[in-house]
Amino acid sequence: KNEVEQSPQNLTAQEGEFITINCSYSVGISALHWLQQHPGGGIVSLFMLSSGKKKHGRLIATINIQEKHSSLHITASHPRDSAVYICAVRSVRWGFGNVLHCGSGTQVIVLP
Amino acid sequence: DAGVTQSPTHLIKTRGQHVTLRCSPISGHKSVSWYQQVLGQGPQFIFQYYEKEERGRGNFPDRFSARQFPNYSSELNVNALLLGDSALYLCASSPRGDSSRSGYGYTFGSGTRLTVV
Repeated sequence: KNEVEQSPQNLTAQEGEFITINCSYSVGISALHWLQQHPGGGIVSLFMLSSGKKKHGRLIATINIQEKHSSLHITASHPRDSAVYICAVRSVRWGFGNVLHCGSGTQVIVLP
Repeated sequence: DAGVTQSPTHLIKTRGQHVTLRCSPISGHKSVSWYQQVLGQGPQFIFQYYEKEERGRGNFPDRFSARQFPNYSSELNVNALLLGDSALYLCASSPRGDSSRSGYGYTFGSGTRLTVV
C-alpha cells in the first residue's frame, strides 16, 4: 500500500467549477507539499504545509495532522488549471530529511 | 537568478548502454535530490546529496549511482539500461539536506526525458 494516497486519479470539470483533490498519508510527517505538473514535465511547488490552511489566489490547501489528510481546492477553475496535481510528504520515518514521497497524482482537465 | 537546470532535456539510448544526466542547483542551494517519474505515476525518490555526501537512497538497483561536485552540481548515472528505465528524471534542489526546518522550499528542474529502446 502506498503511504501517500490521492483521490480522484482523474477529474474533469467545467470552467468556473470548484475542484477538490484529496490526499491521505499513513506516516508522521514534517511537511506536506502540493505540486503542479504541466505537460512537458516541469513541476512547481504550489504549497508547503505543516498545519492549518494556506491560500494563494484561487488555490487553497488545508491539512489535518491528526487525521493525516490534506485537500487542495481550486475555486473558479479555469482551463489553464489543467495539469497533474501531486501530493508529496516529508517524513523523518525514512531516516533522512528533505526527501519527498509522492502520491500518484491527480490529472485535472478543465473544459472551457 | 537561474533556476534548477538539467541537461540534456531529451535522450534516446539503447538497452545495455550507460547514461549520465546532469543537474545544476539554484545558486546557494547545497542539497540535490534525484527522482524518477514513469508515465502515470508520481516522482519516486532515487538519491539525495548534501554537501557532496550521499544522505539518502531510494529503492533502486545498484545500476543507479550519483555524485555531487564541489560546486554542488550533480550527476546521475545509470548503467546497463533497461526498457523500464524509460522515464522523466527530475532533479530538485533545496538549501539544506534535512527537514528540521519545515519552511524550506523545494525547487524542481524541468527534467530529462530518457527513452530506452
